[in-house]
Amino acid sequence: AQSVAQPEDQVNVAEGNPLTVKCTYSVSGNPYLFWYVQYPNRGLQFLLKYITGDNLVKGSYGFEAEFNKSQTSFHLKKPSALVSDSALYFCAVRDFTRSGNTGKLIFGQGTTLQVKP
Amino acid sequence: GAVVSQHPSWVICKSGTSVKIECRSLDFQATTMFWYRQFPKQSLMLMATSNEGSKATYEQGVEKDKFLINHASLTLSTLTVTSAHPEDSSFYICSARENPPYNEQFFGPGTRLTVL
Repeated sequence: AQSVAQPEDQVNVAEGNPLTVKCTYSVSGNPYLFWYVQYPNRGLQFLLKYITGDNLVKGSYGFEAEFNKSQTSFHLKKPSALVSDSALYFCAVRDFTRSGNTGKLIFGQGTTLQVKP
Repeated sequence: GAVVSQHPSWVICKSGTSVKIECRSLDFQATTMFWYRQFPKQSLMLMATSNEGSKATYEQGVEKDKFLINHASLTLSTLTVTSAHPEDSSFYICSARENPPYNEQFFGPGTRLTVL
């Protein structure tokens, strides 16, 4: 079965410092990986995705993620954190295990990012 | 990116009543939409996959008769919580998947349901 794990419930960083939010995956075949951000009482906003190609994917708001096949990881990164980056972050993988796949996403547990001034 | 709306954004109802939540893709067609439920500080739990013109596919453990899904057009899916109880209180989020060849999935802003 396909799965995604976010090992950290919360990540704390100081404003201006680099941030990393970790994600590991387990899939059969090539993974389609996504990062989303959620602000309180809001839906999910797409940040970036990896389908194929360059292992370093650049996304919205200065975020990027590095696909590492050998470590089955897709960590989210940003060189310089902002207080406004504080939110809940979800890693997700597209589920291709069912016949007639409809693009169902499997989400990780979520990681709360807290950026302090 | 494409826009998905949900209506209402929040609703408070009495126990035993039914509540309908709408999910609309505003500028694209979506044969497939998804309904999720999210508890505070937790991940999204997929409830069902809504398919235009056919029956929804429910995830294991989700009551079909409790959570009625209707996907009557390429831009609208509705979730009706029937005979709501306090334990149904949650944040409900829909997403819509663009039709091929794009296949991107966009999320609505969510609906906060509180059952008294």
